[in-house]
Amino acid sequence: DTAVSQTPKYLVTQMGNDKSIKCEQNLGHDTMYWYKQDSKKFLKIMFSYNNKELIINETVPNRFSPKSPDKAHLNLHINSLELGDSAVYFCASSQGGGYQPQHFGDGTRLSIL
Amino acid sequence: GENVEQHPSTLSVQEGDSAVIKCTYSDSASNYFPWYKQELGKRPQLIIDIRSNVGEKKDQRIAVTLNKTAKHFSLHITETQPEDSAVYFCAASGDSSASKIIFGSGTRLSIRP
Repeated sequence: DTAVSQTPKYLVTQMGNDKSIKCEQNLGHDTMYWYKQDSKKFLKIMFSYNNKELIINETVPNRFSPKSPDKAHLNLHINSLELGDSAVYFCASSQGGGYQPQHFGDGTRLSIL
Repeated sequence: GENVEQHPSTLSVQEGDSAVIKCTYSDSASNYFPWYKQELGKRPQLIIDIRSNVGEKKDQRIAVTLNKTAKHFSLHITETQPEDSAVYFCAASGDSSASKIIFGSGTRLSIRP
């Protein structure tokens, strides 16, 4: 059983389009995250939700909008995609906040043409 | 703001030798220090973590040391094997649910046969 699953695995799209990435965890964790990993492999937190409540919202353009319908799901919608959005986006979950081990999904590789 | 510095950025060691990766952090409120291993094209996975109430932790060939006074922590891998080749990330976090985890910039470890 996949603990943290995100779809799609690959996303290739044109600049200006809107796209969504979905994430689900079956670990019973109460906290979920979105991370961005750029081409230099820097791993940076974007958002964190605890029991569907937004806890961390880093300085991310408001074109990025996370949504957590329940504590097992955290989706990421991106409007008006730009070239600089090309990266691998990882979803993760933990029981408690950042002070607990994080379980990552396999990532979504987003490529903007 | 909070910062985690990681050195070296690349490390090449002979198979069987030891590898050491060092990190420093800036936020004195940090209490949780995990290490993640990311193989090429894969997700980051927790390999070991340490909390501020201990100075050292060991798990088979992997050990982590923490010096809270100096705000340093290090990963030690002994008897390195080819499968240890990966990018390793250190991280630091406070101990509340609102704490965000800050990752180091990563170390690409290569094991020479």
